[in-house]
Formats: sequence, C-alpha cells, structure tokens
Amino acid sequence: DGGITQSPKYLFRKEGQNVTLSCEQNLNHDAMYWYRQDPGQGLRLIYYSQIVNDFQKGDIAEGYSVSREKKESFPLTVTSAQKNPTAFYLCASTSRREISPLHFGNGTRLTVT
Amino acid sequence: AQSVTQLDSQVPVFEEAPVELRCNYSSSVSVYLFWYVQYPNQGLQLLLKYLSGSTLVKGINGFEAEFNKSQTSFHLRKPSVHISDTAEYFCAVTPRFSGGYNKLIFGAGTRLAVHP
Repeated sequence: DGGITQSPKYLFRKEGQNVTLSCEQNLNHDAMYWYRQDPGQGLRLIYYSQIVNDFQKGDIAEGYSVSREKKESFPLTVTSAQKNPTAFYLCASTSRREISPLHFGNGTRLTVT
Repeated sequence: AQSVTQLDSQVPVFEEAPVELRCNYSSSVSVYLFWYVQYPNQGLQLLLKYLSGSTLVKGINGFEAEFNKSQTSFHLRKPSVHISDTAEYFCAVTPRFSGGYNKLIFGAGTRLAVHP
C-alpha cells in the first residue's frame, strides 16, 4: 500500500542534542511538508519542498533544518537551537496538481528533557 | 493573510445525537476550505473540501459542511454521531491559486467527544 512512513513513533532526547526525524513516501509525490503540532494550536508549517534538491522555510523554521536529496525522503533535523522542541511532528506529501489531497504520516512525538 | 477560528475547543455529545463543529475564517482573497480529522496519535485524514460550486459538500463518514461566503463560515455537521467519531477535527484554508499547500492555515482544532 502507498503511504507515508514516519519513524520513530516516539523519540526522547536530552536538551542540547540534535535529532533527525525520518519521513519516507512511496506515493511518487513531488511536494513534501513538515508540520509541528502543539496542543490547542493546530498545525504550523516548518519547511516544505516542492522538488528534489529544493526546499523553503515555512512559518516556524528557526531551529530546524531539512534536506531533499531523494524524491521519496524528506528528513527533518531538530537542532539544539530550537528553544522548545517537544511536540508532535507530522510529515505530509502531495502531487503538484492544484489542490490534490494532502497525505499525512502518523507522526513522531518528540520529547526533549 | 488568512486566519481560521474554530469556535469550540471541545464539543461533548451523546451517541446518535447531531453535532455541528463551527469554523470561521478571514481572508482578503478567495480560498479553498478543508476539514480534517485526527484520531489519537495519528496523522490527519481529509474529511471533505470545498473548492467551488455547490456550497454544501459531503465527505466521508457521513459528514457534510456548508460554505457561507457572507458569514465566512464553513461549519461541519453530522446528523447522528457514533462513538468512533471521537477525534480532533481541524478546519483549514488556503488561498486559491497559491500553487500548493505551503499557505495552508489550520484552526486550533475541536475535540469531539462522543459519549454512550
């Protein structure tokens, strides 16, 4: 079945450590997105990529970095510069057709102590 | 810029009762509108979307929503809810012709709790 796989489901890190969240899709989608979800705040866009080797900052990119070396993969690194990294992180993808459905992974819950 | 307000953070309801989840938006340009559902510890699934045409749109799981341009609203309704509808629901908008979801704005979410 086609879909988006995020791993791991739960991740625990000590403050000051960088951590990388994995996102892989086999839907042949061109565009991929990273969102952060906090209770009572909905989803906020961190980074997005519409094509391989290109990506753009979203609304809350500070303290995060991404790469898009392959169409299928869009890993997110949460750096030590991110002041409040504990959150639920969601990866999504879509084809480039106007308003084709946005497919989401099942998320990674990151806890930093 | 766009913004989305979901007027209720939590909605408790008994099984088989009707429910309405309210969503208002603000935008200076025409928008596309969406409702997504999120079950615990999962990603979001698209329930329904309004792109153009009929203002009443039907989605999955018996949900429907009505676009009201004059009131800038897009309320979600279901005539009879099930226990399995317990989840968080998000309203979202994006400007027409924005070229992708990079400008998708989500509301804060409404937690629907269906009780037996």
